[in-house]
Amino acid sequence: DVKVTQSSRYLVKRTGEKVFLECVQDMDHENMFWYRQDPGLGLRLIYFSYDVKMKEKGDIPEGYSVSREKKERFSLILESASTNQTSMYLCASGTGGHEAFFGQGTRLTVV
Amino acid sequence: AQSVTQLGSHVSVSEGALVLLRCNYSSSVPPYLFWYVQYPNQGLQLLLKYTSAATLVKGINGFEAEFKKSETSFHLTKPSAHMSDAAEYFCAVRYTDKLIFGTGTRLQVFP
Repeated sequence: DVKVTQSSRYLVKRTGEKVFLECVQDMDHENMFWYRQDPGLGLRLIYFSYDVKMKEKGDIPEGYSVSREKKERFSLILESASTNQTSMYLCASGTGGHEAFFGQGTRLTVV
Repeated sequence: AQSVTQLGSHVSVSEGALVLLRCNYSSSVPPYLFWYVQYPNQGLQLLLKYTSAATLVKGINGFEAEFKKSETSFHLTKPSAHMSDAAEYFCAVRYTDKLIFGTGTRLQVFP
């Protein structure tokens, strides 16, 4: 089975902190994604990566950056956390543009 | 650009009743379509996918969906709801290497 692992299920951070969300996949997938999930808005794509060191902005990249130094790992960085970034963050991986496999999610609260 | 519309943010059915969750897409090319399910505090799990092989697609847990090009629809159905089907359901369309999601439909099942 494909496994996508997010480093934390729950996080509480303070406003202004730099926050790292880590995601690791074990299926050698080229593509990796970070989505944000909010009630009534569904999943919105923040960034995705189609290869090591390659990235592309999604629909809501403002306030976020990403890093992909190794194929299996894709990190989402909140440079200076703000309360409006309180949300559920979902990482996914996939190949060939077909279905994506999701991690369990990280529920981030910024206080 | 591709987009997905899910009609009805909440659907309630009795146990044993038909489940119908609606999804319409906009796509300028033949689409790849997906339904995902999310149980509370978990990531998304693939229910089924349409990749142009057959218009009626069967998925896990007794769900199926029918691709209707003339109606640009990909509605999800299950003949008889079970209490364990209570969850949030997301329709998605592939756009290049990205998945574009609808806003989700929360299914409640009453005994």
